[in-house]
Amino acid sequence: DTGVSQDPRHKITKRGQNVTFRCDPISEHNRLYWYRQTLGQGPEFLTYFQNEAQLEKSRLLSDRFSAERPKGSFSTLEIQRTEQGDSAMYLCASSPPVRGGLEQFFGPGTRLTVL
Amino acid sequence: RKEVEQDPGPFNVPEGATVAFNCTYSNSASQSFFWYRQDCRKEPKLLMSVYSSGNEDGRFTAQLNRASQYISLLIRDSKLSDSATYLCVVSLSHNAGNNRKLIWGLGTSLAVNP
Repeated sequence: DTGVSQDPRHKITKRGQNVTFRCDPISEHNRLYWYRQTLGQGPEFLTYFQNEAQLEKSRLLSDRFSAERPKGSFSTLEIQRTEQGDSAMYLCASSPPVRGGLEQFFGPGTRLTVL
Repeated sequence: RKEVEQDPGPFNVPEGATVAFNCTYSNSASQSFFWYRQDCRKEPKLLMSVYSSGNEDGRFTAQLNRASQYISLLIRDSKLSDSATYLCVVSLSHNAGNNRKLIWGLGTSLAVNP
């Protein structure tokens, strides 16, 4: 399967714990995005990479959230000291360099539950 | 006012019906427009881009009215498999380069009934 993959698919953690999610984009895609989605809402933009450079972070991304894409390939999203409000689906998307990278291809998401 | 607003839904229609979704956007500088489809507990997938001249893909027709800042999606002869949430997506010019951020609507839920 050459689509966007995310790991893990599900994560249950206790409040206060740290969690890390991984995203592997489609190989030739240079842009990578992280979103958060809760039930009944559209995806909320969190952050965006072009190659290894993190070009934008949403105001939603508190200092407990950090994302990296060290070699311009896979990316990780870490949440420190998780809170119940962090429970959501975390979606990763990638896009190719053509057409300004507007068409985004999503991974299956990581569903986080914070108890 | 939200940057992208959609019909609240949900829409419940019988098979074979024609259904239309509307979406308005607030930023007149918006440059590109899309409809994505999201099945329950699945990731969003691009359904179609929306071009200024309007475009059609089989039973789906998308239209853009820049003057009114309005986008629509029409589904004809709806099928059970069309049941999903339809998300209106708008891009804003992020900077002078090609980096553009997508702004997502909340989505409109469609249920096609037998």
